[in-house]
Amino acid sequence: AQKVTQAQTEISVVEKEDVTLDCVYETRDTTYYLFWYKQPPSGELVFLIRRNSFDEQNEISGRYSWNFQKSTSSFNFTITASQVVDSAVYFCALSEANYGGSQGNLIFGKGTKLSVKP
Amino acid sequence: DVKVTQSSRYLVKRTGEKVFLECVQDMDHENMFWYRQDPGLGLRLIYFSYDVKMKEKGDIPEGYSVSREKKERFSLILESASTNQTSMYLCATERGTGDEKLFFGSGTQLSVL
Repeated sequence: AQKVTQAQTEISVVEKEDVTLDCVYETRDTTYYLFWYKQPPSGELVFLIRRNSFDEQNEISGRYSWNFQKSTSSFNFTITASQVVDSAVYFCALSEANYGGSQGNLIFGKGTKLSVKP
Repeated sequence: DVKVTQSSRYLVKRTGEKVFLECVQDMDHENMFWYRQDPGLGLRLIYFSYDVKMKEKGDIPEGYSVSREKKERFSLILESASTNQTSMYLCATERGTGDEKLFFGSGTQLSVL
């Protein structure tokens, strides 16, 4: 069965610290997709990244970076030099390719609440 | 930018009432989804639709139904609301070409008393 585990329920850091959010997934499929979404206090989830199971290259986007390791079934997210605006709940999610390739049928982790204090 | 609009931000209903949650999108996306979000449980998929008049059950469809009469509108229906349906409901859309990300509305916080 598919499952996404975000073991960290809440993390609190001081501005400019680096922080890593952990995500471990379970799936039997060889083709799957992993996502990170950010949910700020306004409530609207915002897409951050999508990664398919055949691409283990790490990704960097500004202060954000993602480390995908199939050997440990992990897809961790690091924020470098955190800022107050990074305060949000972050969700990791898994999708298996089905229904014509739609990735909307997502399995979400329970989320990690990140608080960045000034 | 895609806009996904949910009709109410907050809603209070009584047990046994029939409740309609509306979601409208303006970017001609094929796929639409309803999730509920509960503290400590993350997001769980209730129903989704890949076409007009088409619907598929998600992981927790019990107690809910949906309607998609027009491409841009996807309604979630609670036939007889119960207190365990108190939750944040999130609508999402996806373009439908297979290389996708979800666009979410701001959510409706439903309280059933």
